[in-house]
Amino acid sequence: AQSVAQPEDQVNVAEGNPLTVKCTYSVSGNPYLFWYVQYPNRGLQFLLKYITGDNLVKGSYGFEAEFNKSQTSFHLKKPSALVSDSALYFCAVRAPSGGYNKLIFGAGTRLAVHP
Amino acid sequence: GAGVSQSPRYKVAKRGQDVALRCDPISGHVSLFWYQQALGQGPEFLTYFQNEAQLDKSGLPSDRFFAERPEGSVSTLKIQRTQQEDSAVYLCASSPPGLAVETQYFGPGTRLLVL
Repeated sequence: AQSVAQPEDQVNVAEGNPLTVKCTYSVSGNPYLFWYVQYPNRGLQFLLKYITGDNLVKGSYGFEAEFNKSQTSFHLKKPSALVSDSALYFCAVRAPSGGYNKLIFGAGTRLAVHP
Repeated sequence: GAGVSQSPRYKVAKRGQDVALRCDPISGHVSLFWYQQALGQGPEFLTYFQNEAQLDKSGLPSDRFFAERPEGSVSTLKIQRTQQEDSAVYLCASSPPGLAVETQYFGPGTRLLVL
């Protein structure tokens, strides 16, 4: 069965410092991995995805994620955090089923960026 | 362009009432998903439509939950005889056709509170 783990409930970072939000996965077959961000009272917004190719994936708002097959990880990163990055971040994995792809989400990590 | 919209944004129901939640996907999107997000958790898959066909309803928690998409565009999630454990945010997502791994675009959600 496909699953995703986000080991940190909350990550605190000072503005301007690099940030990392961790995600590990368990899949059968090739992993298709996603990061979404959720701001208060707004829907999930797509940040980036890994399907194949370069292990470093670049996404929206300056975020990137590094796929590591040996560690089964897909950590989200940003070189310099902004206060406006404070939000809830979800890692997700594709669970293929009968020709379509439903997403299995982690429990989420709350990112707090302090001025 | 217009994104996925959902209505109502908030719904308070008394235990035992029936509720109907509406999703307007992005025009032209073939795939439509419903997810349930309990407080402090990641979204969990409920059901999937391809056009008007409901291809997967394995995530619906009980037979009190029913979803339809009769004309292949707008979808309605109905919950009969609501219970307190149904309190959650209900998210709708849609995807365009032709992508091998769909990027799902989420609506803002309907927050349901059952008293």
